[in-house]
Amino acid sequence: DAGVTQSPTHLIKTRGQQVTLRCSPKSGHDTVSWYQQALGQGPQFIFQYYEEEERQRGNFPDRFSGHQFPNYSSELNVNALLLGDSALYLCASSGGYRGTGNEQFFGPGTRLTVL
Amino acid sequence: GQNIDQPTEMTATEGAIVQINCTYQTSGFNGLFWYQQHAGEAPTFLSYNVLDGLEEKGRFSSFLSRSKGYSYLLLKELQMKDSASYLCAVKRGSTLGRLYFGRGTQLTVWP
Repeated sequence: DAGVTQSPTHLIKTRGQQVTLRCSPKSGHDTVSWYQQALGQGPQFIFQYYEEEERQRGNFPDRFSGHQFPNYSSELNVNALLLGDSALYLCASSGGYRGTGNEQFFGPGTRLTVL
Repeated sequence: GQNIDQPTEMTATEGAIVQINCTYQTSGFNGLFWYQQHAGEAPTFLSYNVLDGLEEKGRFSSFLSRSKGYSYLLLKELQMKDSASYLCAVKRGSTLGRLYFGRGTQLTVWP
């Protein structure tokens, strides 16, 4: 049973560019959350998708947007990249938006470097 | 907002016991998680507490006191592979998804 997968593993972009990160949830999971983890910090919640809609959003600007597909996979898009967007982007899946699961499974993350 | 506080760094020796504390202030508290994260890797789930008391799982135990806004993770019989960052995270409300994380405690285990 494959766990949460993310692609790409690493990415280097320059300021002003746009980036798309991808996530496939653990088999049987329907809810995907995205987190940004800066070096030496804990993960910060970006947003969560369930039934192809954004359900919760953290304190991130509109440059951060996302999408969920019918197969539950998800994308995170970041426009107009800033140096401060350099971080590890983590995708987490869970088996129940309405609290039926008590555990989020994290993917290996995408390391984004903005030059 | 949430205020989740844990020590930045801790060190211990192989075979020892270490306790990592976490304090939090939040409304709508509905559970506390501990995750382990090795450098460059994803966080992996260790424990979940929603009621007061101690939860034991092998070498790892986690304790919660809701009235004090306090939790700890206890690691026994430390091994070198336990060197990692330990993240405390709080869940609010009934929906799972938005976890509020502390900055993590970097534990180094020496031989």
